Amino acid sequence: NAGVTQTPKFQVLKTGQSMTLQCAQDMNHNSMYWYRQDPGMGLRLIYYSASEGTTDKGEVPNGYNVSRLNKREFSLRLESAAPSQTSVYFCASSEMGGPGETQYFGPGTRLLVL
Amino acid sequence: AQSVAQPEDQVNVAEGNPLTVKCTYSVSGNPYLFWYVQYPNRGLQFLLKYITGDNLVKGSYGFEAEFNKSQTSFHLKKPSALVSDSALYFCAVRDMDTGRRALTFGSGTRLQVQP
Repeated sequence: NAGVTQTPKFQVLKTGQSMTLQCAQDMNHNSMYWYRQDPGMGLRLIYYSASEGTTDKGEVPNGYNVSRLNKREFSLRLESAAPSQTSVYFCASSEMGGPGETQYFGPGTRLLVL
Repeated sequence: AQSVAQPEDQVNVAEGNPLTVKCTYSVSGNPYLFWYVQYPNRGLQFLLKYITGDNLVKGSYGFEAEFNKSQTSFHLKKPSALVSDSALYFCAVRDMDTGRRALTFGSGTRLQVQP
């Protein structure tokens, strides 16, 4: 049982390049989330998917798109990377998305945009 | 709007001493409160949460937290710190009445336990 896995672990991009961050969970959870972590700011929600086939914007969605490919997988795409998107990106999942549920986090993807 | 404040960027404590990491919150309704820990180059690991009921919540690795509604606080505590507890700790809140899905995280407190 791997929990939440993310690929890649680290990526360097040039401004304007695109890339997709991959996330998968094997806990049969319905809800999945993408957060970014910046120094001194905690984690902020980019997008979430309450269930397969649905996605919604979080606090900081600009510059990102997401795809809930199936129940297991939730990808985050940067169409045209900007230096402001340099951050650590975490994927998380929870069973049903209820407010009292625990969210389980992946190990993160460290992204540097030059 | 919901918010979380962790007033200390860093807490230093000697091994064997009790530790407290502070957290205060603001929500319009009733809160769900969480503590997560992050070790270097790792994701966040769940420690404990308050949903309802007993104000003292016990969690993983000997940690506990006390919900204080009048002071809007949810401080993390441990009776005897270990060097291995050194990590970054995040408090998070969710307003149970608004249906808002996002967890709002504090900025984090780095705990340093000296041998």
